Amino acid sequence: EAQVTQNPRYLITVTGKKLTVTCSQNMNHEYMSWYRQDPGLGLRQIYYSMNVEVTDKGDVPEGYKVSRKEKRNFPLILESPSPNQTSLYFCASSLSVTVPGTQYFGPGTRLLVL
Amino acid sequence: GQQLNQSPQSMFIQEGEDVSMNCTSSSIFNTWLWYKQDPGEGPVLLIALYKAGELTSNGRLTAQFGITRKDSFLNISASIPSDVGIYFCAGSELGGTASKLTFGTGTRLQVTL
Repeated sequence: EAQVTQNPRYLITVTGKKLTVTCSQNMNHEYMSWYRQDPGLGLRQIYYSMNVEVTDKGDVPEGYKVSRKEKRNFPLILESPSPNQTSLYFCASSLSVTVPGTQYFGPGTRLLVL
Repeated sequence: GQQLNQSPQSMFIQEGEDVSMNCTSSSIFNTWLWYKQDPGEGPVLLIALYKAGELTSNGRLTAQFGITRKDSFLNISASIPSDVGIYFCAGSELGGTASKLTFGTGTRLQVTL
């Protein structure tokens, strides 16, 4: 089954404790992206990747890191989480980079930073 | 980054009623997308629009790409309980790619029996 998986689905942590949210897709997609969703703000892009070893900042990259060492994986790293990073996070992937269209979203990771 | 103005923010309707929602942008867009998010899930693409004036249907859903390229509309006819969820518009600016989608703030739809 074609899908985007994220782990963990739920995470409670404390300020400053490094964490990684994994994202994996099995569709051989070139493009992957991370979004955060906050009430009243919709989805905002954090980082995206057009291909292996190619990443770029989205609209809200501060406090986040990503890496794309393999095509299928695109982990999101919070080196020193803060309470304002409490949010719902979505990973997405898309076959096409040049034509905006179907982005397949993962199920989401709900993060609470105390 | 830019955000799209999506309205209404929420709607409470009765089963069987038609629903309309829209998105507007200050920039010209070359693509408009409509997604639905069910509780506890990620957004799922409903309709994609690539040409100004384009009208596309997907079952009971119909979406239009505005002639000005700065707006889009989604209509749901004869709503049913499973239509409940949050609907998001998203767009790509002229010259943009899949890398730069801007999302609206969402319309929360509640359907009562």
